[in-house]
Amino acid sequence: GDSVTQMEGPVTLSEEAFLTINCTYTATGYPSLFWYVQYPGEGLQLLLKATKADDKGSNKGFEATYRKETTSFHLEKGSVQVSDSAVYFCALSSSGGYNKLIFGAGTRLAVHP
Amino acid sequence: IAGITQAPTSQILAAGRRMTLRCTQDMRHNAMYWYRQDLGLGLRLIHYSNTAGTTGKGEVPDGYSVSRANTDDFPLTLASAVPSQTSVYFCASQIRPGLGVEQFFGPGTRLTVL
Repeated sequence: GDSVTQMEGPVTLSEEAFLTINCTYTATGYPSLFWYVQYPGEGLQLLLKATKADDKGSNKGFEATYRKETTSFHLEKGSVQVSDSAVYFCALSSSGGYNKLIFGAGTRLAVHP
Repeated sequence: IAGITQAPTSQILAAGRRMTLRCTQDMRHNAMYWYRQDLGLGLRLIHYSNTAGTTGKGEVPDGYSVSRANTDDFPLTLASAVPSQTSVYFCASQIRPGLGVEQFFGPGTRLTVL
């Protein structure tokens, strides 16, 4: 079945460091890919998405490119801030999964001043 | 209100008791979802509804039931709670079910079953 694998956390960085959170997927057909972010005590909110191969999603300085050849959707940011501390979830939706979201386990990011 | 509201915010429940978690959205979204979030497992789909009057089972439906009598409300019921149902529960909605369509999440309900 469809699945998402993302790197285990926690990831601890200093402010202004470069961030990469790896995400790979298994899916039938051509899934849409998402990154959701969960700030402490809140629900999830969409960070960015890509709906076809080679698309790049971007928002708030974060970006991720849909790589079908490597079945990956890695999240990157060039310079993180303390306010980026949160849990990040990679997710997919595919026709094989009846359009439902399949989530990875989540990666906790802690950014220190 | 704007968006999705969930109630209660948190609850401690004795095993064997019945509990209904409430979810209301005011965005007139057709599709609604219930997920549970457990450490190391991400979010897993419990039940979903593509439109008012219809429901379907997700990945982990056992022990839970839902109803969708109207567009706005999507309650989740635990008929007889067990400790393994201790979790954080999130309701979500989507303007329509489909690939690439964003889901909007409520703030969650933290449930502890003793």
